[in-house]
Amino acid sequence: GQQVMQIPQYQHVQEGEDFTTYCNSSTTLSNIQWYKQRPGGHPVFLIQLVKSGEVKKQKRLTFQFGEAKKNSSLHITATQTTDVGTYFCASGGGADGLTFGKGTHLIIQP
Amino acid sequence: EAGVAQSPRYKIIEKRQSVAFWCNPISGHATLYWYQQILGQGPKLLIQFQNNGVVDDSQLPKDRFSAERLKGVDSTLKIQPAKLEDSAVYLCASSSGHNTEAFFGQGTRLTVV
Repeated sequence: GQQVMQIPQYQHVQEGEDFTTYCNSSTTLSNIQWYKQRPGGHPVFLIQLVKSGEVKKQKRLTFQFGEAKKNSSLHITATQTTDVGTYFCASGGGADGLTFGKGTHLIIQP
Repeated sequence: EAGVAQSPRYKIIEKRQSVAFWCNPISGHATLYWYQQILGQGPKLLIQFQNNGVVDDSQLPKDRFSAERLKGVDSTLKIQPAKLEDSAVYLCASSSGHNTEAFFGQGTRLTVV
């Protein structure tokens, strides 16, 4: 599979602050998928990016795929308590296995 | 639309025993994945099937783990014999094809004592 590294591992924010997690690879990625996993739950698909420089938005969430297709980011504006969970990037799923990063744990303090 | 079904939800076994997990993917989904997720870590791909053929099993510990997907639908994952470090949640997921979103089941939480 296509290996991806995520930073930071943990992020503490005050409710209302912004949050960003980054996903990086040493090789060109065919795609990037983002998933959210709530505590005690299973990963749930958020979005897929496939084009160089692609930017997609879902309400307060903004997803970017780098021009070189080697990095991606997820940005949440004005976090809410419902945003708590672990955010994973993943790549592959075709000829390569769908490989996940280690995730960024988002902790929100009210 | 029914989701990915997994059973059992929980399993406790002693080390050196055997265990099997079952997964029924979403109807029509050609791709099926098995992941191992240790507490606090990301899902680790064990095996990926495309219909009943294996796409990637590079991280499957083949001396003790085996998986099959007969007829390209349901799948079973077996561990024999289990070790303490196999304690984890085993997640099954399916997708409709290449590079499409994966839908996860609730997982099986395995505890090896």
